[in-house]
Amino acid sequence: GQNIDQPTEMTATEGAIVQINCTYQTSGFNGLFWYQQHAGEAPTFLSYNVLDGLEEKGRFSSFLSRSKGYSYLLLKELQMKDSASYLCAVRKSNYQLIWGAGTKLIIKP
Amino acid sequence: SAVISQKPSRDICQRGTSLTIQCQVDSQVTMMFWYRQQPGQSLTLIATANQGSEATYESGFVIDKFPISRPNLTFSTLTVSNMSPEDSSIYLCSVEMAGVNTEAFFGQGTRLTVV
Repeated sequence: GQNIDQPTEMTATEGAIVQINCTYQTSGFNGLFWYQQHAGEAPTFLSYNVLDGLEEKGRFSSFLSRSKGYSYLLLKELQMKDSASYLCAVRKSNYQLIWGAGTKLIIKP
Repeated sequence: SAVISQKPSRDICQRGTSLTIQCQVDSQVTMMFWYRQQPGQSLTLIATANQGSEATYESGFVIDKFPISRPNLTFSTLTVSNMSPEDSSIYLCSVEMAGVNTEAFFGQGTRLTVV
């Protein structure tokens, strides 16, 4: 079967660092995406990994291990505006996207 | 990148009626997708809208309930037919540009409430 798992909810403090994990089992792999979604809005693209390793983009970094079926999104210097849901999505061999249920991140002052 | 205009942004509809959602893209795209997102849940793919042919529906979704049109490479519509309260959800259209490592772009979403 196909499965993407990520924690339902996480809480972190403003200015801190948080890591959101994603594990996946899919039929084929053509890349992993992280999206941010604020309540009532459409998802917006954060990062893309297709090779193993770390991709850094400002305060956000994303890591991929294909052999372990594992990725994480690292958010540094957290700001209140980072309070949102973070969605992990895997592109399969047929280029279809499979979405995780999302992790709701709550930032406290 | 792609800019997607989706409308209506929200609607409240009576049970048994139908609503058509439109999605207009500012450039020609091969692949357009329609998703449903129920409160607190992730995106569920309804169908892939193919230009010049019938849409490809995912398990649990049928053409009679969710007819889709794709008359050209920049436009698509999704109709939610014979609505019931269970159809209350956010509906999103999405496009992907040509190339392997391009992300999906989303319309603003349509928040549908069926009463």
